[in-house]
Amino acid sequence: DAGVIQSPRHEVTEMGQEVTLRCKPISGHNSLFWYRQTMMRGLELLIYFNNNVPIDDSGMPEDRFSAKMPNASFSTLKIQPSEPRDSAVYFCASSPGTGSSSPYGYTFGSGTRLTVV
Amino acid sequence: AQKVTQAQTEISVVEKEDVTLDCVYETRDTTYYLFWYKQPPSGELVFLIRRNSFDEQNEISGRYSWNFQKSTSSFNFTITASQVVDSAVYFCALGTNAGKSTFGDGTTLTVKP
Repeated sequence: DAGVIQSPRHEVTEMGQEVTLRCKPISGHNSLFWYRQTMMRGLELLIYFNNNVPIDDSGMPEDRFSAKMPNASFSTLKIQPSEPRDSAVYFCASSPGTGSSSPYGYTFGSGTRLTVV
Repeated sequence: AQKVTQAQTEISVVEKEDVTLDCVYETRDTTYYLFWYKQPPSGELVFLIRRNSFDEQNEISGRYSWNFQKSTSSFNFTITASQVVDSAVYFCALGTNAGKSTFGDGTTLTVKP
């Protein structure tokens, strides 16, 4: 089992550019989560999917952020246009449970460190 | 609203000392789940343990043990005979059936040789 795979590991982009982060969850896991981690705000849940359907996106900071899950094995988080305050580590996680209240622990990817200059 | 408080921002111990990381939570739900995660310097987040609200049994796994007390809304984590490799940020998290999972701010543990 390769675990949750995120790409890229690092991304440096200029303000105003579009950024797309990718995630491949563990096969068979039906819940997928996107988190953002910063020193100031800690770990924040941005959005989660259950069986490819977005369930709660209330954590998405602004309309500049969007997430999709076209199938059970792939999800993207897009920021357009990016701003310096979006700089953070973005984690994707998956779980075999259903919903954010899954009684199972999450398996996190290695994260994408985004720097917007 | 859910809330997780990890009052200890940083803890520093010497190798072989025992150390306890505190976690206090708030929720109005009667069914909920508590978790601990470890984030070593390499940055990944590693799931350590899950505990259901209806199961107050303490758990031991090697040098790790967890003490869940509903009466005080606490889910503390103890590392016995700490090792340098235990140095990491440890997060406590709360999940309920009604809403999003909530993470504490984390406790940075440094184990010195």
